[in-house]
Amino acid sequence: AQKITQTQPGMFVQEKEAVTLDCTYDTSDPSYGLFWYKQPSSGEMIFLIYQGSYDQQNATEGRYSLNFQKARKSANLVISASQLGDSAMYFCAMREEDSNYQLIWGAGTKLIIKP
Amino acid sequence: EADIYQTPRYLVIGTGKKITLECSQTMGHDKMYWYQQDPGMELHLIHYSYGVNSTEKGDLSSESTVSRIRTEHFPLTLESARPSHTSQYLCASSPQIREGLYEQYFGPGTRLTVT
Repeated sequence: AQKITQTQPGMFVQEKEAVTLDCTYDTSDPSYGLFWYKQPSSGEMIFLIYQGSYDQQNATEGRYSLNFQKARKSANLVISASQLGDSAMYFCAMREEDSNYQLIWGAGTKLIIKP
Repeated sequence: EADIYQTPRYLVIGTGKKITLECSQTMGHDKMYWYQQDPGMELHLIHYSYGVNSTEKGDLSSESTVSRIRTEHFPLTLESARPSHTSQYLCASSPQIREGLYEQYFGPGTRLTVT
């Protein structure tokens, strides 16, 4: 079974609009962390935001926020006021406590911002 | 800002050649990783290391080998390249910043094409 599921292979969003990228996960480990990375066409992976399973509040980093719904096992990334430079692949990843520091990756969502 | 370097950035090579992809980090991170990624697809872990003289195979079977003789250096070698090895190879490293957060920092990647 997929441990990380990103159901949106691609999305088109108008510039300046907010966008939500979906991520659901599957784990029986009570302690885990969820990550979002951005990968522009140049290929490098850029860390965006992190949410720990015991964190009481949703993580925020500038225009990025993570809508963490633990009971539903979802960790959606919200980008406010989208910009043309936000066009990229976005990957959700999970680290379980017993995973020896390894990340489990989703298949990614390709986001294209339209001017 | 993370300092992790990969060379070469692009490599086109013929079948049967031996190649080494270089990865170095200047942050003193103990943990390092190699991922293989086809365009627009998810990342697959092929090797990881928890420190000097420690190397393990990842989830995706790979014909490559790695070594970790120095903390900062984690090269990946293909003894005999084949067209099926054509892919992007991403190197990453991670510190232990605080309990629960094991963010991975990525290099720019090497795009390998085997003809």
